[in-house]
Amino acid sequence: DTGVSQNPRHKITKRGQNVTFRCDPISEHNRLYWYRQTLGQGPEFLTYFQNEAQLEKSRLLSDRFSAERPKGSFSTLEIQRTEQGDSAMYLCASSLLTSSRETQYFGPGTRLLVL
Amino acid sequence: AQKITQTQPGMFVQEKEAVTLDCTYDTSDPSYGLFWYKQPSSGEMIFLIYQGSYDQQNATEGRYSLNFQKARKSANLVISASQLGDSAMYFCAMRLYSSASKIIFGSGTRLSIRP
Repeated sequence: DTGVSQNPRHKITKRGQNVTFRCDPISEHNRLYWYRQTLGQGPEFLTYFQNEAQLEKSRLLSDRFSAERPKGSFSTLEIQRTEQGDSAMYLCASSLLTSSRETQYFGPGTRLLVL
Repeated sequence: AQKITQTQPGMFVQEKEAVTLDCTYDTSDPSYGLFWYKQPSSGEMIFLIYQGSYDQQNATEGRYSLNFQKARKSANLVISASQLGDSAMYFCAMRLYSSASKIIFGSGTRLSIRP
């Protein structure tokens, strides 16, 4: 399978715990994105990387959120001291920046439930 | 501000009929791309079709076509000969080329195909 993969697919945690999600992009893609999707809404942009560099962060990404892409391949998204409002689907996407027709391909998402 | 509007929260269509999902967008940038994604109940966002703001012809991909009316700022998705497997959420999205690569999504339309 050469698509975007995400692990875990589901995560249930208690409020106050830390969680970490992983995203493996399509191998030759140099851009990687994180989005958050709450029930009944479209995905909202959180942050993106070009290779190792984190180039933009949304206001939605509070201090409790941190994302890394240390070798320009896979990425991790960590949420510290989780809150019930963090419950959502976290989607990762990747793309290859070659032209204006850059298309983002999404993974299956990690569904987080904070109790 | 950039915005995507999908005014149909839900639609029911008989199998084998064509269906049009509405999308309007708002931007003052001249250069942008418009996307449609399908999200089945499994959660993965599946890329369907892309239209660039300077493309002269409407995009088509198999049973999907995009009715792009630039002056009206609309980018409706047309699905011909609908199938039961088309039942899903459909999101219209936009990316501006002048700024970050993030995609802005609409709130989606839930399409249900009746046998």
